[in-house]
Amino acid sequence: AQSVTQLDSQVPVFEEAPVELRCNYSSSVSVYLFWYVQYPNQGLQLLLKYLSGSTLVESINGFEAEFNKSQTSFHLRKPSVHISDTAEYFCAVILSGGYNKLIFGAGTRLAVHP
Amino acid sequence: DAGVTQSPTHLIKTRGQQVTLRCSPKSGHDTVSWYQQALGQGPQFIFQYYEEEERQRGNFPDRFSGHQFPNYSSELNVNALLLGDSALYLCASSLTGERSPLHFGNGTRLTVT
Repeated sequence: AQSVTQLDSQVPVFEEAPVELRCNYSSSVSVYLFWYVQYPNQGLQLLLKYLSGSTLVESINGFEAEFNKSQTSFHLRKPSVHISDTAEYFCAVILSGGYNKLIFGAGTRLAVHP
Repeated sequence: DAGVTQSPTHLIKTRGQQVTLRCSPKSGHDTVSWYQQALGQGPQFIFQYYEEEERQRGNFPDRFSGHQFPNYSSELNVNALLLGDSALYLCASSLTGERSPLHFGNGTRLTVT
């Protein structure tokens, strides 16, 4: 069965420190990979996606993620976080050939402290 | 350009009742998907509608049903509500195609008492 595992339920970090949110997936078919962010009382916003091509993808607000096929991982990183990055982050996959049905991980709560 | 809009934002129902949630997709989008997000969990896929038909369904009972209208808007209906149906219900719209990104609304918070 296909699944997405986010290894940390909560990640506390100080402002301006680097952060990595870990995501692993299992699938017998090719996948497309996504990170979504959810701020309190809001829906999900697409942060970045990997569909094909370069395995390193970047967002407009400084986040990046690297697709590692051999390790079936898609970890999210930011070299210096801000208070405003405090949110819930969800890793998700779409299975190739399965329309665009997202399979989500359980989420990682990023808490940035001053 | 309005994004995905959902109504109502909050709803309180009693066990056994029925509820209807509504969703208007982002302009230009023809596919609507519904997700259930229980507290502290990731969203779970309920079903997807395209061309007014249910194209794919997740592991949810028949109490969960939906509809898509000619203008691409959609409804989610839940019958015989259970306490466990309390969750944030998210609607997402997209173009058809597996590589098309999903745009989410802010959700409807359903509380069943």
